[in-house]
Amino acid sequence: GEDVEQSLFLSVREGDSSVINCTYTDSSSTYLYWYKQEPGAGLQLLTYIFSNMDMKQDQRLTVLLNKKDKHLSLRIADTQTGDSAIYFCAETMTMVANDYKLSFGAGTTVTVRA
Amino acid sequence: NAGVTQTPKFQVLKTGQSMTLQCAQDMNHNSMYWYRQDPGMGLRLIYYSASEGTTDKGEVPNGYNVSRLNKREFSLRLESAAPSQTSVYFCASKGGPIYEQYFGPGTRLTVT
Repeated sequence: GEDVEQSLFLSVREGDSSVINCTYTDSSSTYLYWYKQEPGAGLQLLTYIFSNMDMKQDQRLTVLLNKKDKHLSLRIADTQTGDSAIYFCAETMTMVANDYKLSFGAGTTVTVRA
Repeated sequence: NAGVTQTPKFQVLKTGQSMTLQCAQDMNHNSMYWYRQDPGMGLRLIYYSASEGTTDKGEVPNGYNVSRLNKREFSLRLESAAPSQTSVYFCASKGGPIYEQYFGPGTRLTVT
């Protein structure tokens, strides 16, 4: 995941907002994704944004995309204990025609404290 | 609809032993992937298969081989395990309108 960078840890009080930041490198990425990994489990897609959008809102989640700075953020409103997890930012990178890989950041471990 | 399944869930090997990690998907996806996850390094692509009958190397293929047995199944083989291969291994398949990757629950491998 060297092409995608994100901070490793975030601690937030229950009920506050969490903001996780990510920078990526491939300006041709079509989609950018946020995945969530709960302890002992695989990754699940949390939300995504298409590259021609600046913002996407989905219930408590807001994704902001700044293409000029190649910066992506995920805001979780009213953070709950169930939001404690590792959050991965990922960008699409073309491998061969009609296929691509995902390049992942190292993951941000979010801890929600009472 | 089970999604992506992986076996085994846990495995301990001694250095030099071999094993095969199994992965299957029931979503009729063409593309399948093997990743390893190490602390502070995110997920790194080991091998991928864009379609049945084809496989290609990812970022970290050394020490691994793969087989795309059919459209459903994609296995990862460690011929001679090394401690550096201690990791969590995830299989994924790709499909859907936003090209989402669906992940299995992972195999936690320890090589002593």
